[in-house]
Amino acid sequence: NAGVTQTPKFQVLKTGQSMTLQCAQDMNHEYMSWYRQDPGMGLRLIHYSVGAGITDQGEVPNGYNVSRSTTEDFPLRLLSAAPSQTSVYFCASSYSWGQLANSPLHFGNGTRLTVT
Amino acid sequence: GDSVTQMEGPVTLSEEAFLTINCTYTATGYPSLFWYVQYPGEGLQLLLKATKADDKGSNKGFEATYRKETTSFHLEKGSVQVSDSAVYFCALSAQTGANNLFFGTGTRLTVIP
Repeated sequence: NAGVTQTPKFQVLKTGQSMTLQCAQDMNHEYMSWYRQDPGMGLRLIHYSVGAGITDQGEVPNGYNVSRSTTEDFPLRLLSAAPSQTSVYFCASSYSWGQLANSPLHFGNGTRLTVT
Repeated sequence: GDSVTQMEGPVTLSEEAFLTINCTYTATGYPSLFWYVQYPGEGLQLLLKATKADDKGSNKGFEATYRKETTSFHLEKGSVQVSDSAVYFCALSAQTGANNLFFGTGTRLTVIP
C-alpha cells in the first residue's frame, strides 16, 4: 500500500522559475492538503481540498496554486519561485474532511525545495 | 485564532530517562489534540490523540492528557529509548470545519545510549 506519494524528493530552482510538486494518494481519501515546514515555525497550511473540484486557502497561500481534478491527485504549483519559498513541503490526506479526530492525517515523505 | 505553543528544543536525554514535552493551546470550543512524530527523512506520523477534556491518549509508551483547565496536552514517557529520537509536534484541530491542523514548532529529541 503506497499511501501518500510525493515527487520529487529534492528540487533546486532559480528565482522566477515555475514548477509543480506532485502528490498522489491511493487510499480514496476525501481530504488532501499541503503544508510547508520551516525551522522554528512548525508546519503551516498552504492549501487544502475537501474533494475533487474543491480547494481552499490555508494560512500561507500566496505564491502557490492548487487544483483537484481527481480524488487521487493534488498538485501544488509555484508559478514564479522566490527564495522565501525555500522549505520542505508535505502533502497529507485523510479519509474524512469533517472529523479529523477519527480520521487522522497521513503524510508523504516530503519534498525539499531550494530556491536560489 | 487557534494556535499551539510548544516547548522549544532541542532536548537531549540519556536512555531510560523520563521525558516531558510541554504543549499548550489556544482555541475556541473543544478542539481535538494530537501528537505527531517525525523520524529523520520521513513525513509525520500520528503518535496519539485526545478528543475531549480529560481524555488520555497513549501509544508506544507515550502518554498525553487533555487538560482543558490548563489548556495543555503535555507529552510524557517514563523511559525513553534511542529509537525515540525524532521531532515531536503538538497539533490541534478545531471543533468544526475542515480537517486543518494547527501545529506547534516541533521539539527535537535526541536520546543517547
